[in-house]
Amino acid sequence: EAQVTQNPRYLITVTGKKLTVTCSQNMNHEYMSWYRQDPGLGLRQIYYSMNVEVTDKGDVPEGYKVSRKEKRNFPLILESPSPNQTSLYFCASTAAGNEKLFFGSGTQLSVL
Amino acid sequence: SQQGEEDPQALSIQEGENATMNCSYKTSINNLQWYRQNSGRGLVHLILIRSNEREKHSGRLRVTLDTSKKSSSLLITASRAADTASYFCATDTGNQFYFGTGTSLTVIP
Repeated sequence: EAQVTQNPRYLITVTGKKLTVTCSQNMNHEYMSWYRQDPGLGLRQIYYSMNVEVTDKGDVPEGYKVSRKEKRNFPLILESPSPNQTSLYFCASTAAGNEKLFFGSGTQLSVL
Repeated sequence: SQQGEEDPQALSIQEGENATMNCSYKTSINNLQWYRQNSGRGLVHLILIRSNEREKHSGRLRVTLDTSKKSSSLLITASRAADTASYFCATDTGNQFYFGTGTSLTVIP
């Protein structure tokens, strides 16, 4: 089954404790991206990647890191999480030129 | 920010009625898409309309695009309780996707 898999689904952590949210897709998509969703603000893009070893900042990249060492994986790294990063996070992917995004099920992150 | 906006923020209708939601965006686009989200789950793609198209249909969905006004509308005909969800428009500039703030639709059985 074609899918984007995010883990974990829920995560509670404390300020300053490094964490990684994983994202993997099995559709051989070139494009992958991360979003955060906050009430009243919709989805905002954090980082995106057009292909392996190519990453770029989205609208709200501060406090986040990403890497794209393999085509299927695009982890989101919070090196020193802060409470304002409490949010619902989504990973998404699409084939080059396809434009239709496939979303993961989301990761609800709470930073205390 | 290049984020778009949906209008209305919330919409409540009776089953069988039509639902119309609107999206405004800020920049030139390649395409505009509509997505659906159920209760905080991942978004699901509904329909894509290209910048050189004015109207598109898919089942009970009808999308219009007016690039001169930088706006789009999504019409869901003969709504069902299962259509209850949040709906988002998204614009594509080639590298980045910009989502609107969403319309929460409630269809009352």
